Amino acid sequence: GESVGLHLPTLSVQEGDNSIINCAYSNSASDYFIWYKQESGKGPQFIIDIRSNMDKRQGQRVTVLLNKTVKHLSLQIAATQPGDSAVYFCAEKTGANNLFFGTGTRLTVIP
Amino acid sequence: DAGVIQSPRHEVTEMGQEVTLRCKPISGHDYLFWYRQTMMRGLELLIYFNNNVPIDDSGMPEDRFSAKMPNASFSTLKIQPSEPRDSAVYFCASSSRQFLNEKLFFGSGTQLSVL
Repeated sequence: GESVGLHLPTLSVQEGDNSIINCAYSNSASDYFIWYKQESGKGPQFIIDIRSNMDKRQGQRVTVLLNKTVKHLSLQIAATQPGDSAVYFCAEKTGANNLFFGTGTRLTVIP
Repeated sequence: DAGVIQSPRHEVTEMGQEVTLRCKPISGHDYLFWYRQTMMRGLELLIYFNNNVPIDDSGMPEDRFSAKMPNASFSTLKIQPSEPRDSAVYFCASSSRQFLNEKLFFGSGTQLSVL
């Protein structure tokens, strides 16, 4: 079955440094991936997405990398700020199926 | 745009009582999703609607759970009778026809505690 997991359940980063949050998936047929940010007491908020026909996609201060060979997804946050502290979820989608969410990584930014 | 609106934000009830959670999706969105979030299981899809019609309710835990969408701007998730193991944060999300079931917009959730 599908499996989306995160290598690091917690990550602490110094303010101003870059953050890298990793995600592994097991379904090679997954063709869409998405990252969400969830702050305390709030719902998940869309950050960036990528389709399987791409290897990289950039947004504002964020970059998502997709390595289909090893079924790995990562979210890079440049110049991490205190406001980036949150739980980050990756999710995968296969064909018409619905999103399947991973367990999340907690990012803590140290001032 | 006000985003997805859920009510109540917090609900505390006793075991056996009926609980009704409410959701107003983003205007114009065709898809509506109900998720449950717990520490043990993470985010689980319970049910989703397309144009007010339930499409997939395979995630609904059991018959105690029911969901309705009487019109395009309102949906409810009902638990009757509630049990302590139903304690979780329940999220409603919506999506437009453009994004189908991919880019979802989530509400702030309802924190449910069943004592």
